[in-house]
Amino acid sequence: RKEVEQDPGPFNVPEGATVAFNCTYSNSASQSFFWYRQDCRKEPKLLMSVYSSGNEDGRFTAQLNRASQYISLLIRDSKLSDSATYLCVAYNYGQNFVFGPGTRLSVLP
Amino acid sequence: EAGVTQFPSHSVIEKGQTVTLRCDPISGHDNLYWYRRVMGKEIKFLLHFVKESKQDESGMPNNRFLAERTGGTYSTLKVQPAELEDSGVYFCASSQAHPMRPRGSPLHFGNGTRLTVT
Repeated sequence: RKEVEQDPGPFNVPEGATVAFNCTYSNSASQSFFWYRQDCRKEPKLLMSVYSSGNEDGRFTAQLNRASQYISLLIRDSKLSDSATYLCVAYNYGQNFVFGPGTRLSVLP
Repeated sequence: EAGVTQFPSHSVIEKGQTVTLRCDPISGHDNLYWYRRVMGKEIKFLLHFVKESKQDESGMPNNRFLAERTGGTYSTLKVQPAELEDSGVYFCASSQAHPMRPRGSPLHFGNGTRLTVT
């Protein structure tokens, strides 16, 4: 079993739609969590950190449920430019950053 | 501020040859990481430096891979001799503070080196 698992995708949604990505992690000692986005043939770029209380950045909302070892990312009012692969990342001291396989999103006009 | 830079951006070599990848982290970032993504797989950790010291090299596939970070600045990753399965994208990333900060210090990635071994 992978340490970080994500929805397999791909997600194809129309512009303006709301889309949610799910991520689970198996290592209960994981301490910090992040969402990265990766465009085709580019490097991953930090989208947002995920805080225990949940956090929002514009159209993006991240949630963390430590009891269920579950992380989510909600994108509201999808834009064409949101099309990318979204990577869920867990950090555990001593094991470094562990990446999920990613979920690909295509926002369609 | 200049980002993480990697060189070369692409490298095509034959099996058995040697390749050296270079990474210049963001200035002042003590933590430097090497990651690799092979086709169809998730990004996998290779190695972590804190300044010039190897903090964790548990992800290095085998002894054909050698990473150095002399002086705690730039880092090199040498593959010698290269095998077909070494093909993939090698990412370098750096972060500013020790990752034990309560909320962690996120990684800043370079553009990656796409390595093709034929």
